[in-house]
Amino acid sequence: ETGVTQSPTHLIKTRGQQVTLRCSSQSGHNTVSWYQQALGQGPQFIFQYYREEENGRGNFPPRFSGLQFPNYSSELNVNALELDDSALYLCASSFGTGYNEQFFGPGTRLTVL
Amino acid sequence: GIQVEQSPPDLILQEGANSTLRCNFSDSVNNLQWFHQNPWGQLINLFYIPSGTKQNGRLSATTVATERYSLLYISSSQTTDSGVYFCAVFDSGTYKYIFGTGTRLKVLA
Repeated sequence: ETGVTQSPTHLIKTRGQQVTLRCSSQSGHNTVSWYQQALGQGPQFIFQYYREEENGRGNFPPRFSGLQFPNYSSELNVNALELDDSALYLCASSFGTGYNEQFFGPGTRLTVL
Repeated sequence: GIQVEQSPPDLILQEGANSTLRCNFSDSVNNLQWFHQNPWGQLINLFYIPSGTKQNGRLSATTVATERYSLLYISSSQTTDSGVYFCAVFDSGTYKYIFGTGTRLKVLA
């Protein structure tokens, strides 16, 4: 059984650029959720994808968008990067939505200069 | 939306000591998980426990859903238990996952 994987591990961008982060869900899982974790804080829910559609969203602006593919992998896209977007981005997968156990990937650490 | 608070915020223990971490939530939930975040940022699943009691080795957890709290017990703590412990719930009203504020644990040798 393959766990949740994320790429890249680390990324450095400059303000105003765009970034794409990738996540492969654990085998047997059809739902992916994305989180942003700033230094010293808890993870903040960005959104969840289920059956290739956004299914729940946190308090993040529209420049945070995502995709889910037929194989249940997912991308997180962030446009017009700001310095405050520097954070650890975590992806979690689960079977079904909301009520089931989530499993997290190792994260992508994004630095915006 | 649901508020999730954890206590204590920080905890320092000597190796071998026991501890209890608490997670309070402001409304009923269908999904509650406990995680341990290691120094590299990986969130490790400890328990999926919407209600009842579970045990896994030196760790156990109890959720009393009707009173809106969950407890994580760590017995005979080890230095490898150091890190941040989070509880997280699913708010079915707003369809969002919400993490608690975390408890930062340091176990001294």
